[in-house]
Amino acid sequence: GAVVSQHPSWVICKSGTSVKIECRSLDFQATTMFWYRQFPKQSLMLMATSNEGSKATYEQGVEKDKFLINHASLTLSTLTVTSAHPEDSSFYICSARDDVSGELFFGEGSRLTVL
Amino acid sequence: AQSVSQHNHHVILSEAASLELGCNYSYGGTVNLFWYVQYPGQHLQLLLKYFSGDPLVKGIKGFEAEFIKSKFSFNLRKPSVQWSDTAEYFCAVTITGNQFYFGTGTSLTVIP
Repeated sequence: GAVVSQHPSWVICKSGTSVKIECRSLDFQATTMFWYRQFPKQSLMLMATSNEGSKATYEQGVEKDKFLINHASLTLSTLTVTSAHPEDSSFYICSARDDVSGELFFGEGSRLTVL
Repeated sequence: AQSVSQHNHHVILSEAASLELGCNYSYGGTVNLFWYVQYPGQHLQLLLKYFSGDPLVKGIKGFEAEFIKSKFSFNLRKPSVQWSDTAEYFCAVTITGNQFYFGTGTSLTVIP
């Protein structure tokens, strides 16, 4: 089946630094990708919808300047957590929607720990 | 805002027992409904989905779900669970086809 790859799968950084997480659709094109945040033993919270070639659409309560999203190509979206703080520590998951089938595929997730 | 409710937070069953996980959503229009599974240490995988047609949907690994529009429900069922079904199960709803709204998840533990 279609594969969505996230990199890095885990990252530890110091407070105040920025971290970039990549989401790639490996064998299909995805005009639309989504970024989620998952807290331990909780559900996925949609953070933003990433659209290739245009600005991302953020969900209410998600800081645009804090979580920068860039969708530069049909196979790549990046999430940059700027000036990370310990409360940003979480599991970030992306999903990509196949432009042909419309099916949604999820990445493996990226675990961010901010010290 | 739309919401998806999963009332069972943690379910523990013995192997061969029957399973039913509840899912309710709060939108009166046309919805697409999904069940995803997340095995320990793995990413989310699609179990089954409903777009239209027969409200009883069959998915992978013997799972099925029934869409009952009048009850705004999409409950997941399996007649006989296995130890390998131990996982986190998420119900999801999409209206526009874009934003997916997930339920809080149900943790299923199957005891051999």
